[in-house]
Order: sequence, then structure tokens, then C-alpha cells
Amino acid sequence: QQQVKQSPQSLIVQKGGISIINCAYENTAFDYFPWYQQFPGKGPALLIAIRPDVSEKKEGRFTISFNKSAKQFSLHIMDSQPGDSATYFCAASIWNTDKLIFGTGTRLQVFP
Amino acid sequence: GAVVSQHPSWVICKSGTSVKIECRSLDFQATTMFWYRQFPKQSLMLMATSNEGSKATYEQGVEKDKFLINHASLTLSTLTVTSAHPEDSSFYICSAPSFTGFRNQPQHFGDGTRLSIL
Repeated sequence: QQQVKQSPQSLIVQKGGISIINCAYENTAFDYFPWYQQFPGKGPALLIAIRPDVSEKKEGRFTISFNKSAKQFSLHIMDSQPGDSATYFCAASIWNTDKLIFGTGTRLQVFP
Repeated sequence: GAVVSQHPSWVICKSGTSVKIECRSLDFQATTMFWYRQFPKQSLMLMATSNEGSKATYEQGVEKDKFLINHASLTLSTLTVTSAHPEDSSFYICSAPSFTGFRNQPQHFGDGTRLSIL
């Protein structure tokens, strides 16, 4: 029940296309859902985050869609660029611990 | 923006050696910091929560005597891997919340320490 399931494991997108990564969870105690981007040999960097009281949040080319009833959330990267090639992790935080539970990661490759 | 610094970035040492990794919040204070472990091409696994002025809280299955955590000040937490063995080789990453948002989020991560035990 503490897991966050993430798919796909890897994703190949052409430059200018839309990258979509999906996550699902079971624990209704999760109330904060961030997405992180990680380049090889570096720590994760926060991209965008959402709380369950909104269904969508957009920051630049990055959008989180959140479906509370389905317990699913997704990251959309519009106009994907080669520089977006990285590993993306969704995560969830439980309200009373602030611990982050990470998804398994998606390796995104954007080809010119 | 919030910056978390880790040192060293890479360490290679012999089996049986103890290794200390530092995590500093450079432009903000952090009463809580988190330590993660990441194996190649895998996700981040929370090892422990570091609390300033009190004992760390370890996740199930993490040996507290193997991974010693000290949160000495509001800007520094250290992780010491004692008597390290090859199976302890991994990428260790710390994070700290900046208190600019919602409770202890967002968390800002250091660039990690790659530990290789020969």
C-alpha cells in the first residue's frame, strides 16, 4: 500500500512530441505528489508538484494531471526536447510523515 | 533557490573502512533531512530521517549501527557508513525541505555521493 507504480519503464519520443508518464498509488493518506528529473550522476531535481485538491497544474512545458478517484497522476512534457532526456520519478508523500515514496522511474530519450 | 550540497561527490575506499558523507543546506535551515540510497538504474529508497538535536529515524531493514546519522546543526547532517563492505557500494543522496511550501515539501536534493568499496 506504500508503493507508487510508475509506467512506462522507458520512453522514446521524437523532438517536438509529447512525453507522457503515468503513476498510480493505493494509499489515500498520500497528499503531495511531486515529479523529479534526474540526470546521470546527479541528484533528483524537482520539476513540478501537485496536491489532490486540484486536477491539473501546468508550469511551462510540464503539466501534471491528477485523478483522485482513480488514484492516478501523470506528467505530460509538451514539445519534448533532447535536453529533456533523463530519468523521471514520480513520488508521493504521506501527510503525517513527509517521507517521499518514489516510483520506479522512467528513462526518457528524446531524439532530434 | 534552495541549494543542498553533498561532500564528497565520489569516494573509493578499501573494505573495512568507515566513510563519512556530509549534507549541507547552503541557504536555508533544515531541522529535518533525509538520506536515500540508489542502486544503478533503480529508484531512490529512503534510508532514514535525520532530525536536528535528536536521534535519526531509520526505515525498516536499515541497520542503524551500520549507517550512523548525526544532525549536528540546522545546516549539516552526516551519514557515516561504518566498516564498509562491497555490498555497501551505492549512490547516497540527501535531501532537505526548504519550508517555502507545503509542510516539509518541496524537498531539495544534493548531487549525491558515489561510494565504491573495493
